[in-house]
Amino acid sequence: EPEVTQTPSHQVTQMGQEVILRCVPISNHLYFYWYRQILGQKVEFLVSFYNNEISEKSEIFDDQFSVERPDGSNFTLKIRSTKLEDSAMYFCASSEARGHEQYFGPGTRLTVT
Amino acid sequence: GNSVTQMEGPVTLSEEAFLTINCTYTATGYPSLFWYVQYPGEGLQLLLKATKADDKGSNKGFEATYRKETTSFHLEKGSVQVSDSAVYFCALTPRDKIIFGKGTRLHILP
Repeated sequence: EPEVTQTPSHQVTQMGQEVILRCVPISNHLYFYWYRQILGQKVEFLVSFYNNEISEKSEIFDDQFSVERPDGSNFTLKIRSTKLEDSAMYFCASSEARGHEQYFGPGTRLTVT
Repeated sequence: GNSVTQMEGPVTLSEEAFLTINCTYTATGYPSLFWYVQYPGEGLQLLLKATKADDKGSNKGFEATYRKETTSFHLEKGSVQVSDSAVYFCALTPRDKIIFGKGTRLHILP
């Protein structure tokens, strides 16, 4: 069964460093998403992406964040200068079409020290 | 705006007990409703969904009915197992992004 994959599973970085989280969505999906979950809190929407453009972004998704689909398979989330409060689990998701079921990856745990 | 409120956890039950996790929502329009489950150390898995009023979603013995009149989508299971121990998230999608509740941690004791 096709699945969304994410790498790395755990990333530790120092405050102020740049990180790139990688996702490989399901191959025939067209819509891509990033969510995050701060430890013990709810899952929050960050951004949606379609046709090489951001469709929607939340207040959390400020200028420190960017997304890219650099080739036909990868979908990346970049945090330019990490802060302590960026420590969270980051989930990638993809769907065939808008409003269709979103399939989630296993997540990348980001720890900023 | 759109939001989801679900009962606070943790919920602790004995094996074979009846489970209800309450969820209510506020939304503009007619969202689809979901329950997601997160097992320890894993990502989010869709447990069940309902796309319109009076629809009942079901999977693995869990059920939830989309109640428009009470804006609710309560999760139920007749007889829980130890393997059901996880965090359960109620969620809605008005159109594209998913809006999650805070999650309810469920512990099932053998």
